[in-house]
Amino acid sequence: DGGITQSPKYLFRKEGQNVTLSCEQNLNHDAMYWYRQDPGQGLRLIYYSQIVNDFQKGDIAEGYSVSREKKESFPLTVTSAQKNPTAFYLCASRNRGNYGYTFGSGTRLTVV
Amino acid sequence: AQTVTQSQPEMSVQEAETVTLSCTYDTSENNYYLFWYKQPPSRQMILVIRQEAYKQQNATENRFSVNFQKAAKSFSLKISDSQLGDTAMYFCAFMKRDNQGGKLIFGQGTELSVKP
Repeated sequence: DGGITQSPKYLFRKEGQNVTLSCEQNLNHDAMYWYRQDPGQGLRLIYYSQIVNDFQKGDIAEGYSVSREKKESFPLTVTSAQKNPTAFYLCASRNRGNYGYTFGSGTRLTVV
Repeated sequence: AQTVTQSQPEMSVQEAETVTLSCTYDTSENNYYLFWYKQPPSRQMILVIRQEAYKQQNATENRFSVNFQKAAKSFSLKISDSQLGDTAMYFCAFMKRDNQGGKLIFGQGTELSVKP
């Protein structure tokens, strides 16, 4: 079945460490997105990519980095510069010219 | 910049009754999409319904319908015959209809509880 796979489901990070969240899709979608979800704030866009080897900052990109070396993969690195990284992270993909998003099942990141 | 506002953080409804969730948005664009997404306790995002701004007719999907008021920039969701499985967080979202990345802008969410 086609879809988006996010891993791991739960992730714990010590303060000062970088950590990478995985997002893989087999839908052949062009565009991929990372959103952060916090209680009472909805989902906010971190980064997005419309084609391989290109990506743009969203509304809250500070403290995060991404890469898009393959069409299928869009990993998100939460760096030590992110002051409050504890949140739920959702990855999504979409075909350009199509309104429909497909979401992954999310990664819950907790700083310990 | 576009903004989406959901002014009801929490709502509850009795099973089989009707409930309306509110959403307002701000934009200077003329061509856009509006969506309602459902996020149950599993946290999987599920598209409930979408509306294209150029269409005057309100969208309907089974028990779910919208009241789209373009001039007032209002987009409410009505759930008829509420079921226990409708218990979830509901997000209103906006997308410009252009080639600028297809970014979704979300409201803060409304947590709906359907009570037996």
